[in-house]
Amino acid sequence: GQNIDQPTEMTATEGAIVQINCTYQTSGFNGLFWYQQHAGEAPTFLSYNVLDGLEEKGRFSSFLSRSKGYSYLLLKELQMKDSASYLCAVIDSNYQLIWGAGTKLIIKP
Amino acid sequence: GAVVSQHPSRVICKSGTSVKIECRSLDFQATTMFWYRQFPKQSLMLMATSNEGSKATYEQGVEKDKFLINHASLTLSTLTVTSAHPEDSSFYICSASGGEKLFFGSGTQLSVL
Repeated sequence: GQNIDQPTEMTATEGAIVQINCTYQTSGFNGLFWYQQHAGEAPTFLSYNVLDGLEEKGRFSSFLSRSKGYSYLLLKELQMKDSASYLCAVIDSNYQLIWGAGTKLIIKP
Repeated sequence: GAVVSQHPSRVICKSGTSVKIECRSLDFQATTMFWYRQFPKQSLMLMATSNEGSKATYEQGVEKDKFLINHASLTLSTLTVTSAHPEDSSFYICSASGGEKLFFGSGTQLSVL
């Protein structure tokens, strides 16, 4: 079967760095997405990785290793507004989007 | 800037009415668009795949007569929720295929009273 695993919840301190991991087992791979979702809102696109390596975009970076079926989202200089759920999603060979259940990130002052 | 525009962002309607949601690719042509639905605290669920100029392909369990999809041009797909009922209240999100990448709209929160 197809599966996306990410931690259910994480807690970090304002100003610190946090890494949210995502592992996947899917039938084929056409890219991996990270989304941020605040309660009551639709997911907001953060990053897209299709090749191995690190993609940096401001305070957020995303890493992919296709051979390991692994990705992480790195958030630096955490702000209170970063408190949200972070969703990992993979496009499989049939162009189906397989979603993880999301990681709830709690930022403490 | 946003490459996929989805409207409206929020809509409230009475039970029995129909609601149309638009998904536009702003700076690329999208031969394929996808429509998803998200239930609270759950992942997005693919409803249907919309191909320009042909009928949409619906996922198992999705009523094609209730969720009408039209993809009349390479930049526009619409989802119409017909005779909406309170159980249709949900987030609806579209995405458009631009080469290898998939770009998502900002979502539509539908509330049926």
